Amino acid sequence: ENVLTQSPATLSLSPGERATLSCRASQSVSSYLAWYQQKPGQAPRLLIYDASNRATGIPARFSGSGSGTDFTLTISSLEPEDFAVYYCQQRSNWPPIFTFGPGTKVDIK
Amino acid sequence: EVQLVESGGGLEQPGGSLRLSCEASGFTFSNYAMSWVRRAPGKGLEWVSTISGSGGGTFYADSVKGRFTIARDNSKNTLYMQMNSLRAGDTAVYFCAKETLDDGAFDIWGQGTMVTVSS
Repeated sequence: ENVLTQSPATLSLSPGERATLSCRASQSVSSYLAWYQQKPGQAPRLLIYDASNRATGIPARFSGSGSGTDFTLTISSLEPEDFAVYYCQQRSNWPPIFTFGPGTKVDIK
Repeated sequence: EVQLVESGGGLEQPGGSLRLSCEASGFTFSNYAMSWVRRAPGKGLEWVSTISGSGGGTFYADSVKGRFTIARDNSKNTLYMQMNSLRAGDTAVYFCAKETLDDGAFDIWGQGTMVTVSS
């Protein structure tokens, strides 16, 4: 099983600041690395797929990078609506087994 | 509008059964693999199960294998999850999610349905 580790567990920042979230895999990930945002009481929202591609409707301040075992989600300038929990997720090629990281909470400093 | 709507959650005793449903609209349902993902109170997201577009392939997390069965009816655009031998650890909000065609990500999610297992 490919275990995903996210750091930090909590990131306390102010609106306008840059957020850098890390996701590390225990084994090399294929291109199937995605990032999600989840707010309380809501479903997760896909932000990034294939490590660096923004999903439909996602603002340009969200960007993803990385390959192999180390991946990063960057929010260039935090908006008030960006304070939420962020998860990375990978899918193995075959069989299709999905794994989520434990999440990073971005809260207001 | 692309939409997924879950139903069937509720309170059940340990050892009991529940069946969740997820009705899809706004896309060609049979073209896409579908999954169930859950979030237990105070915890993160956990993948539960996936079914291929045709229904011929099914895959499960070890935590539910042998107890849960995923199915779909493409004529009704509906995804199901039969949950048997329920445990307290199955208490969670259950989301159905549509997988992208080639990217291993979930691009559409339902609003979730709460399952509580307690005596």
